[in-house]
Amino acid sequence: DAKTTQPPSMDCAEGRAANLPCNHSTISGNEYVYWYRQIHSQGPQYIIHGLKNNETNEMASLIITEDRKSSTLILHHATLRDTAVYYCIVRSTNDYKLSFGAGTTVTVRA
Amino acid sequence: GAVVSQHPSRVICKSGTSVKIECRSLDFQATTMFWYRQFPKQSLMLMATSNEGSKATYEQGVEKDKFLINHASLTLSTLTVTSAHPEDSSFYICSARELRTAYNEQFFGPGTRLTVL
Repeated sequence: DAKTTQPPSMDCAEGRAANLPCNHSTISGNEYVYWYRQIHSQGPQYIIHGLKNNETNEMASLIITEDRKSSTLILHHATLRDTAVYYCIVRSTNDYKLSFGAGTTVTVRA
Repeated sequence: GAVVSQHPSRVICKSGTSVKIECRSLDFQATTMFWYRQFPKQSLMLMATSNEGSKATYEQGVEKDKFLINHASLTLSTLTVTSAHPEDSSFYICSARELRTAYNEQFFGPGTRLTVL
């Protein structure tokens, strides 16, 4: 019962912005959108989360559509170290479990 | 962000033996920790939720007698794989819920690579 849909893979040129889409058309009002990434053979790393407003931190920006049915994670000025699997997850405030889908494998190329 | 450690990072054992994996929150207290398993080229699968001072809650299909979880303190949870077999070889990852943050984000450990011969 996947709650999110992401493209399986994408390439990005080093130094350019990477835009990672995520569809979550069945998201409910109390569910947040979370993004994590997993570099090969490491544990996942928290990136950012949001409810309905766009969010930005030192790692990325999160753009959520007005109807909240989709979002985009933006990696500004991607580096080779950003090569990883990126997971988009929806989670309610009442349920602390994270359900990981297949994610998007992002490869940053020099 | 908060730091979670795991020990050991890699373990190789013989079939039939038991292996204990530790998960520690280093700079915060975690009343809830989670254990995941990840097979090669697959995503993370939640195995169980570990609550300090109480029994763990296992996901459907996870054998609680095979994967023993103990959460004896606010900074330590352990996963013991009993009578390990080659099919238990996997990447085991824990996470801890940080209560101090507004939204209780989970922070993940670096993972433990288990190989059962």
